[in-house]
Amino acid sequence: QSVLTQPPSVSAAPGQKVTISCSGSSSTIGSNYVSWYQQLPGTAPKLLIYENNKRPSGIPDRFSGSKSGTSATLGITGLQTGDEADYYCGAWDSSLSTGWVFGGGTKLTVL
Amino acid sequence: EVQVVESGGGLVQPGGSLRLSCAASGFTFSNYEMNWVRQAPGKGLEWVSYISSSGSSIYYADSVKGRFTISRDNAYNSLYLQMNSLRAEDTAVYYCARAVVMRYFDYWGQGTLVTVSS
Repeated sequence: QSVLTQPPSVSAAPGQKVTISCSGSSSTIGSNYVSWYQQLPGTAPKLLIYENNKRPSGIPDRFSGSKSGTSATLGITGLQTGDEADYYCGAWDSSLSTGWVFGGGTKLTVL
Repeated sequence: EVQVVESGGGLVQPGGSLRLSCAASGFTFSNYEMNWVRQAPGKGLEWVSYISSSGSSIYYADSVKGRFTISRDNAYNSLYLQMNSLRAEDTAVYYCARAVVMRYFDYWGQGTLVTVSS
């Protein structure tokens, strides 16, 4: 049971838009920055979004992030087959169990 | 170019020990917090441990507290994870990840596989 809750899977057709939700608590998303990671099959995770809504250099603007209260959302527009991957949200946990927490991951299928 | 490269994984029996290393290059290692993150086969990411840039602040996941020890040597640009009393559930790919003020992980290594089995 992950501290951050994500849907196990989402799917959409090429060219369409998809959103992935990440639900946390006041001690995680509610009081800390959210980041998102993309993990292509057989590779290491890669930073996709940081500090809720910023994109690292080289990440296309088809990827976006937002945060409201204790939830965050990753949006991907203009879906491509190369976007098929697992996506993870993450945040620092400021509770007594201090440490970093990840969501359980969402498998994106581009139909 | 920023690089972090893990090594030291392998097959170990339950109850055994293993020491992972992470060699960093392309950035001023002593300025950055570092972490270990693991991923069991077919499972999601699990944060394991954090160490501050100076090594003075350390945190562990409850699942490894008391068994794993994180350390770093800034003179050698290296991060370590000493793993003792290993269990089957510690089987995973272990990633070394650079952190930015613990707001996000911006660089990840390719991972090293640890298998705990008799």
